Amino acid sequence: GAGVSQSPRYKVAKRGQDVALRCDPISGHVSLFWYQQALGQGPEFLTYFQNEAQLDKSGLPSDRFFAERPEGSVSTLKIQRTQQEDSAVYLCASSPRTGVGSNQPQHFGDGTRLSIL
Amino acid sequence: DQQVKQNSPSLSVQEGRISILNCDYTNSMFDYFLWYKKYPAEGPTFLISISSIKDKNEDGRFTVFLNKSAKHLSLHIVPSQPGDSAVYFCAATLSGGTYKYIFGTGTRLKVLA
Repeated sequence: GAGVSQSPRYKVAKRGQDVALRCDPISGHVSLFWYQQALGQGPEFLTYFQNEAQLDKSGLPSDRFFAERPEGSVSTLKIQRTQQEDSAVYLCASSPRTGVGSNQPQHFGDGTRLSIL
Repeated sequence: DQQVKQNSPSLSVQEGRISILNCDYTNSMFDYFLWYKKYPAEGPTFLISISSIKDKNEDGRFTVFLNKSAKHLSLHIVPSQPGDSAVYFCAATLSGGTYKYIFGTGTRLKVLA
């Protein structure tokens, strides 16, 4: 497809279960970002990849959160031992490249709405 | 510490009139600013951006103004249309960093027909 694709769109899990969220960025996009959006808030940065390298994971809230992009394309965000405060919309975004002067806007997927019961 | 603030959670405007959405930031190192529009159950869609070396950028009905001394930017929509009804997010970034966006909390715009 032409846009960023995320799956599943909705995920319900019981507290303590592990979940995996998938992101298919726009083909050829070097940069990939994950954000978490709580209800009534703006998206908050979680982590950033340039190709397969995870260059910034400063936004991951705990060591239960793990992201990977092994071949520089599809990315997976994994949350282990989920807790109720993990309930949020998880957004993935991609952009063609980064670098001084590039200023390419990030293109967002429609997100995965995660509900932890 | 909210580095990007949108102090108006909602705004209602009559169709055909101007909509003005405001955003304030605290980090003087931000050098690139963007506005995104979000419909329910969809991801944010890029609308317009501005570099810190400019004070105005225009694209059709949308104009973004940047006042660096006041650390303030605004989005003007003229004329407003019912299809503009959405949540608008302001975002800022550091081009010398990892390019992550810092978002405000959003303003819900309702354009009344």
